[in-house]
Amino acid sequence: GAGVSQSPSNKVTEKGKDVELRCDPISGHTALYWYRQSLGQGLEFLIYFQGNSAPDKSGLPSDRFSAERTGGSVSTLTIQRTQQEDSAVYLCASSPGQGSEQYFGPGTRLTVT
Amino acid sequence: GDSVTQMEGPVTLSEEAFLTINCTYTATGYPSLFWYVQYPGEGLQLLLKATKADDKGSNKGFEATYRKETTSFHLEKGSVQVSDSAVYFCALTPRSNDYKLSFGAGTTVTVRA
Repeated sequence: GAGVSQSPSNKVTEKGKDVELRCDPISGHTALYWYRQSLGQGLEFLIYFQGNSAPDKSGLPSDRFSAERTGGSVSTLTIQRTQQEDSAVYLCASSPGQGSEQYFGPGTRLTVT
Repeated sequence: GDSVTQMEGPVTLSEEAFLTINCTYTATGYPSLFWYVQYPGEGLQLLLKATKADDKGSNKGFEATYRKETTSFHLEKGSVQVSDSAVYFCALTPRSNDYKLSFGAGTTVTVRA
């Protein structure tokens, strides 16, 4: 079946602009995760959604970052007023439930110029 | 906080050589341990895992044993192939938040024919 998909695959934006990154999880997966992969920080957890529970936002690096998950399926990660240090690959993953294997999407490469 | 330290790369080997990538962890309690692999141009995928002390995870000829005494989870393969060229990440999830993956920095492995 279809895996986790993310769009766009690449995004170049100017410093100060807002961007939205999209994640379509595997159908039926109740848990969804966002991670960031950057040269300086490696792979970092950003946010976790599980069903209708309040998300764990503890990994979001600043209040410029936010994410939502509509209808328990698609998720959007929004970065406001982008900075150069936001340049990274943003990875989305989903899993059938909490604690189960996470399946990763191909990522969105964000470049802030 | 919980963290993972893995062997710095890059590692370059000849086909049929023995591969070891060292990984140690720091965590409160007993985390679950994972090895993820990222092949060129592909997304992260789970290679193997172990959820309790002395468990051995294995897949595709790779093995890793959860060693509580040495807080280690070293990855080994007895005879590598060119197709094993990839970036390998050691990771953990803590018992308390068993969804929050913490990754090591990644080790790039190149296997030459």
